[in-house]
Amino acid sequence: QQPVQSPQAVILREGEDAVINCSSSKALYSVHWYRQKHGEAPVFLMILLKGGEQKGHEKISASFNEKKQQSSLYLTASQLSYSGTYFCGTERWGSGTYKYIFGTGTRLKVLA
Amino acid sequence: EAGVAQSPRYKIIEKRQSVAFWCNPISGHATLYWYQQILGQGPKLLIQFQNNGVVDDSQLPKDRFSAERLKGVDSTLKIQPAKLEDSAVYLCASSPGVTGGYEQYFGPGTRLTVT
Repeated sequence: QQPVQSPQAVILREGEDAVINCSSSKALYSVHWYRQKHGEAPVFLMILLKGGEQKGHEKISASFNEKKQQSSLYLTASQLSYSGTYFCGTERWGSGTYKYIFGTGTRLKVLA
Repeated sequence: EAGVAQSPRYKIIEKRQSVAFWCNPISGHATLYWYQQILGQGPKLLIQFQNNGVVDDSQLPKDRFSAERLKGVDSTLKIQPAKLEDSAVYLCASSPGVTGGYEQYFGPGTRLTVT
């Protein structure tokens, strides 16, 4: 039931691009993306809602394929500050409320 | 705007002891979450409140964990008795909405070590 993220880990050089994927087996209402640096709390990046609405940071881009229940986070021209672990969080309607669950995580390291 | 506050930041206890964590969400946020994050894993939802009512506690080990949200604002999470496998970071988050599609704001977390 936990969303599966891929890749599990990636190493980039500054300026390179990366794509992180999140896949769920359940029909989703929304997908959220967070970045967590070591020893810190997760920080919100973006929400993608069923129907196409998006909310988040201007420099972050992502997509949500409602048919496949998959989301991708696009990191372009990576900077050292992008290093951390990225989690997707998925919302789905169930038992009278929105159920929330985080994905397996993707560790990203950007090298100078 | 003040963020989500949590205390204590660190706690070390022996197994079979009890412990309590406190969370003060962002003012006006209706939804409050408690997560358990074991090293190297994603946060696992323990309990979700909307105002002062529980909407999801399906993954809360109710034989040892309990939580309450006082007057729809502050919340406490208690473990009694603690086990070694409870060692983790306990994160509190709040969200402004009561429907889906709202971002969560996380507190700094409480790192619990059970010896």
